[in-house]
Amino acid sequence: KQEVTQIPAALSVPEGENLVLNCSFTDSAIYNLQWFRQDPGKGLTSLLLIQSSQREQTSGRLNASLDKSSGRSTLYIAASQPGDSATYLCAVDSWGKLQFGAGTQVVVTP
Amino acid sequence: DVKVTQSSRYLVKRTGEKVFLECVQDMDHENMFWYRQDPGLGLRLIYFSYDVKMKEKGDIPEGYSVSREKKERFSLILESASTNQTSMYLCASRLGGGNIQYFGAGTRLSVL
Repeated sequence: KQEVTQIPAALSVPEGENLVLNCSFTDSAIYNLQWFRQDPGKGLTSLLLIQSSQREQTSGRLNASLDKSSGRSTLYIAASQPGDSATYLCAVDSWGKLQFGAGTQVVVTP
Repeated sequence: DVKVTQSSRYLVKRTGEKVFLECVQDMDHENMFWYRQDPGLGLRLIYFSYDVKMKEKGDIPEGYSVSREKKERFSLILESASTNQTSMYLCASRLGGGNIQYFGAGTRLSVL
């Protein structure tokens, strides 16, 4: 069974620093990996989707890498802002269903 | 923009009531999903549907059923609500396998 782990569970950084969020998964037979953002009490917003054949995907200040063979993905957020404070979840698409990590709660202090 | 709309943001129900949670998407997506999210347990898949009138059990289907009579609408039904079904319920949809999954804003259900 696919297991997805996110470390650390929580992270606090001063504004302007780069954020590095980690996601690991146990079964490399994946279709893709998605990163989501969730604000308190709200639904999830898709940030990036990396297909299994891709090594990375970029959108603005966000960059996500994927190393399928080692079962790892990293989300980089450049020059963090207080508005980046949220919980970030990764999800692996295996066998047509998403398996989610528990998330990393990020606080960016002004 | 893709829109996934859940009918209620907050619901309070009594134990034993039949509860309907409705979800509508406006992008002609094939696949639709229901999750629940609980502190410490993360997101867990309850049921999903690959197409109209099709349904598949997820990881925690006990106590729930679903209905998908039209492509745009996916309903989650709690036949007899219990206190352990108090949770945040999230609906999602996607065009098909391998595509971005879009989520609704969530329904916070309290069963008293």
